Amino acid sequence: GAGVSQSPSNKVTEKGKDVELRCDPISGHTALYWYRQSLGQGLEFLIYFQGNSAPDKSGLPSDRFSAERTGGSVSTLTIQRTQQEDSAVYLCASSQEGTRGRPQHFGDGTRLSIL
Amino acid sequence: SQQGEEDPQALSIQEGENATMNCSYKTSINNLQWYRQNSGRGLVHLILIRSNEREKHSGRLRVTLDTSKKSSSLLITASRAADTASYFCATELGSGAGSYQLTFGKGTKLSVIP
Repeated sequence: GAGVSQSPSNKVTEKGKDVELRCDPISGHTALYWYRQSLGQGLEFLIYFQGNSAPDKSGLPSDRFSAERTGGSVSTLTIQRTQQEDSAVYLCASSQEGTRGRPQHFGDGTRLSIL
Repeated sequence: SQQGEEDPQALSIQEGENATMNCSYKTSINNLQWYRQNSGRGLVHLILIRSNEREKHSGRLRVTLDTSKKSSSLLITASRAADTASYFCATELGSGAGSYQLTFGKGTKLSVIP
């Protein structure tokens, strides 16, 4: 079956521009997560959506970052006025439901480079 | 700081040998998970061990959990070149806000030499 799909796979943009990253989770998965992975580092939690509940935005590093999930499926992560420190791989994951002990299924990420 | 910390940071072994990676964490957890990441790809879930479990097996993988020491180990037996990847432990907190989040360590980069 189809896994988590992310687009674009690579994005190069100039400092100050806005970028939008897309995540299409596995069908039927109600929980969706965004992470950021800097070079050689672990994953940094950004935001979590579960069904119709208010998202957990506690990991967003600044107000330049926002995310939405429309219709409980596709999610977009938007970074406004990008900075060079935003360069990283942005990973999306989904799981069957937002309960403990559910493995997360990851997409291959969007590699974002800010010039 | 990161909840989970793996060691070693990098490990290089010959094909056929066993590989052991360790993970330490700081606070009470509900479960601990191990993931693998091949270069340029997303993470793949390997195994989950709950806080009331001490050991789990899956194929060539063996995971142990010692909650008194707040540590876990991942053993890959009879390694293959295809096991070359980065391995991450991730902890899910026992309770409280953000308890559905996974907190990842920085990973162990494993190289298996044919």
